Amino acid sequence: DSGVTQTPKHLITATGQRVTLRCSPRSGDLSVYWYQQSLDQGLQFLIQYYNGEERAKGNILERFSAQQFPDLHSELNLSSLELGDSALYFCASSLGAGRTEAFFGQGTRLTVV
Amino acid sequence: DQQVKQNSPSLSVQEGRISILNCDYTNSMFDYFLWYKKYPAEGPTFLISISSIKDKNEDGRFTVFLNKSAKHLSLHIVPSQPGDSAVYFCAASDTGTASKLTFGTGTRLQVTL
Repeated sequence: DSGVTQTPKHLITATGQRVTLRCSPRSGDLSVYWYQQSLDQGLQFLIQYYNGEERAKGNILERFSAQQFPDLHSELNLSSLELGDSALYFCASSLGAGRTEAFFGQGTRLTVV
Repeated sequence: DQQVKQNSPSLSVQEGRISILNCDYTNSMFDYFLWYKKYPAEGPTFLISISSIKDKNEDGRFTVFLNKSAKHLSLHIVPSQPGDSAVYFCAASDTGTASKLTFGTGTRLQVTL
């Protein structure tokens, strides 16, 4: 158990809909990262928050947004969903903002039908 | 553009023998490299890392070798155990975007009895 909690574990939704994925980081960790893993692909970095502020951004679509709340949990919002958004979405957390080991949650499997 | 490549999708090794997983990268700015292990239905777990100022890092049965001139790193597992059967991801980052990891597509290791 990494200490990072992601909910829900599975999500099935229709095209055009909007969903929210939730992540609770390990106790004490200030950084939260979101990654997307599509079929047979590596993990693609989406975005990082550190202590409530956006710290780094990857190739995150404009339809996607994230935030980190004062209690340090984070949410990833995906809107106007398309079939190609079906993927595993991982959250990770780390103590620091830079080069520190990140601990991953179990992921949320999103299926868009 | 795949900046981190794991060209072998799968590898099968007998228990007790050495497992060698390879990773190539194209971005010469990468200066920190990590290996993660992933079991089904779990998030990736950090295994071992290496900075570009070193060419080898060892942790128990796991050793990572870095060849900067060839832009190549490898993970050696000796001796291999059945519990090592998992997908192994290579990841890299550069100083400028230290927290953003670029992952390879993974190599599935099967350790047979």
